[in-house]
Amino acid sequence: NAGVTQTPKFRVLKTGQSMTLLCAQDMNHEYMYWYRQDPGMGLRLIHYSVGEGTTAKGEVPDGYNVSRLKKQNFLLGLESAAPSQTSVYFCASSYSRGPGTEAFFGQGTRLTVV
Amino acid sequence: DQQVKQNSPSLSVQEGRISILNCDYTNSMFDYFLWYKKYPAEGPTFLISISSIKDKNEDGRFTVFLNKSAKHLSLHIVPSQPGDSAVYFCAASARNFGNEKLTFGTGTRLTIIP
Repeated sequence: NAGVTQTPKFRVLKTGQSMTLLCAQDMNHEYMYWYRQDPGMGLRLIHYSVGEGTTAKGEVPDGYNVSRLKKQNFLLGLESAAPSQTSVYFCASSYSRGPGTEAFFGQGTRLTVV
Repeated sequence: DQQVKQNSPSLSVQEGRISILNCDYTNSMFDYFLWYKKYPAEGPTFLISISSIKDKNEDGRFTVFLNKSAKHLSLHIVPSQPGDSAVYFCAASARNFGNEKLTFGTGTRLTIIP
């Protein structure tokens, strides 16, 4: 049982380049999330999805776009990367949105924008 | 404005002793609290949670205590084991909201000394 898988694990981008981070979950979860983690800060929500075909903005959505064309996949796109987007990105999924519901996280993608 | 604060960035504890990790919050609307554990190069994993209707929740070696009047919660690990060395994140959510409104603390790095 793979759980939540993120691709790629590491990436270096030049300023202005674009890329897509892929998140795949095999637990049939409705809810999926993209977070970023920066030094000295907690995880911050970028975008989330409450089901196939839906997306919504989180706390720090600027500069990112997402798509959820299939239930098991949640894609995070950077159209024009900036050094401020250097971070570790985590995807997560959960079976419900109820308070206290456990979220299952991927292993993270370390992105450096130079 | 950090609504969930973990004021100790790091903590070292002797193996076999008790580890106490602290978390303070400022938003009185928070009513569900979770602890996540994170090993290097891995995503966070759920550890334990507590609802505001309780003041204590126990799961094996892990106990979370909630003091609503002080807006403070703590995670106790007894006895501490080398495998407990990790970063611990406190997170909180408000009534009627789920993971899309989960607020994370900055984390405490726990090191268990053999």
